Amino acid sequence: AQSVTQLDSQVPVFEEAPVELRCNYSSSVSVYLFWYVQYPNQGLQLLLKYLSGSTLVESINGFEAEFNKSQTSFHLRKPSVHISDTAEYFCAVTPARGYQKVTFGTGTKLQVIP
Amino acid sequence: EAGVAQSPRYKIIEKRQSVAFWCNPISGHATLYWYQQILGQGPKLLIQFQNNGVVDDSQLPKDRFSAERLKGVDSTLKIQPAKLEDSAVYLCASSHGQSTGELFFGEGSRLTVL
Repeated sequence: AQSVTQLDSQVPVFEEAPVELRCNYSSSVSVYLFWYVQYPNQGLQLLLKYLSGSTLVESINGFEAEFNKSQTSFHLRKPSVHISDTAEYFCAVTPARGYQKVTFGTGTKLQVIP
Repeated sequence: EAGVAQSPRYKIIEKRQSVAFWCNPISGHATLYWYQQILGQGPKLLIQFQNNGVVDDSQLPKDRFSAERLKGVDSTLKIQPAKLEDSAVYLCASSHGQSTGELFFGEGSRLTVL
């Protein structure tokens, strides 16, 4: 069985300030990790993913996440947020082999304050 | 390419009534998922299809929920009879297969049960 924990349900941050959204996972097997973003009234879309290789992965809009196997974490960071980053962010995990069931965390609402 | 299409976007029904949601995945995607997203929670997998076969329906309340994917393309999710606690957004997603776990989501169908 696998699970994802996002401890922060809401994170308010001022525009141009840095932000970190925390994600911890639990799994007995190797995993792939994802961050999805959901903008208001839209479906979820992939922000970035870790499959293998470099533990630091980046998105096209300045977000990055680092896979830390020893701490079973995949925290999402951005050095300077914009108003347009206001959205809900979901961390997700799936086994790297065999049947792939994608399990999501409960989400973190990022509110960027002007 | 066209994204995942879902309809209706919004549906309001009274308890004990029935409702059906339709999903058309991205062309060529073999795997189709239905997730339930209750307000304040992360998406929960209801059922996963590989082509027209069911891979996982362990969290589908089979006494009231049913889903089918005829010819391995479109899918329909039905609830009969609906309960108040079924109020949620029903998300359809598709993927190429089971190679990377990356999902492509539709905009969702929001159900309100009164």
